[in-house]
Amino acid sequence: EPEVTQTPSHQVTQMGQEVILRCVPISNHLYFYWYRQILGQKVEFLVSFYNNEISEKSEIFDDQFSVERPDGSNFTLKIRSTKLEDSAMYFCASSYQGNTIYFGEGSWLTVV
Amino acid sequence: AQSVTQPDIHITVSEGASLELRCNYSYGATPYLFWYVQSPGQGLQLLLKYFSGDTLVQGIKGFEAEFKRSQSSFNLRKPSVHWSDAAEYFCAVGVMRGSQGNLIFGKGTKLSVKP
Repeated sequence: EPEVTQTPSHQVTQMGQEVILRCVPISNHLYFYWYRQILGQKVEFLVSFYNNEISEKSEIFDDQFSVERPDGSNFTLKIRSTKLEDSAMYFCASSYQGNTIYFGEGSWLTVV
Repeated sequence: AQSVTQPDIHITVSEGASLELRCNYSYGATPYLFWYVQSPGQGLQLLLKYFSGDTLVQGIKGFEAEFKRSQSSFNLRKPSVHWSDAAEYFCAVGVMRGSQGNLIFGKGTKLSVKP
C-alpha cells in the first residue's frame, strides 16, 4: 500500500540552527501538507501546497518556515532558525483530490 | 469557528468489550469527518471518513462511525476491542476551501485495553 515517508524520524538540533525535514508523498498525489503536534497538544495545520505553490498556511507558519518541492518526488519543510517552541512531531501528508489526507509517520524535532 | 471536541481524554476498556469514542464538531457547512489512529511511535492512520450519503460508515480494523447531524456528532464504535487497538484516536473535521480541505483535529482520546 502506498504511503507517505518522512526523514529523519528524529532530529535533535541546537536553538538557532536550520532544520530541513523531508517527505516523499504518495506518488500520484497532488496536494501536500505539513502538520505538527507539540507534545500533549492537538495536531495543527501548518501549510498546504498545490501546483507548486502554497495554497494555504496557518498563523503558525511564519517567515521562519518555508516549503519546497525541489523535484518530482520530495516535499520539504525548512525551519530557518529553530526555537525551543518548535520542538514537536512534524507530520507530512498528501492527498490526491484534496479531501482525504494521508499522513506519514512523523519526524520528531527536539530543539535544545 | 470550526472546532472538534473529544470529551474523553483517556478510556480504558476490557479486551472483548465494546467501545464508543465520542466526537462533537462545530462547522457551518456539511462537514467532512474523519477518524485517525496513532499507535505509539507511529504516524496517523486513517480509520474511516464521512463525506455524504449513508451516515453509518465502515472503516478498517472493524471500526465504524455514525454521523448525526442533529447532535453534531461523529462517534467511533467497535463491537469487540482487541489489545492491539490500544492507541490514541483523533477525530477531525475537514475544512473545505474549494476542492481542497485542511483538517482541524480534536485533542484525541487515548484508549487503553486491559486483558
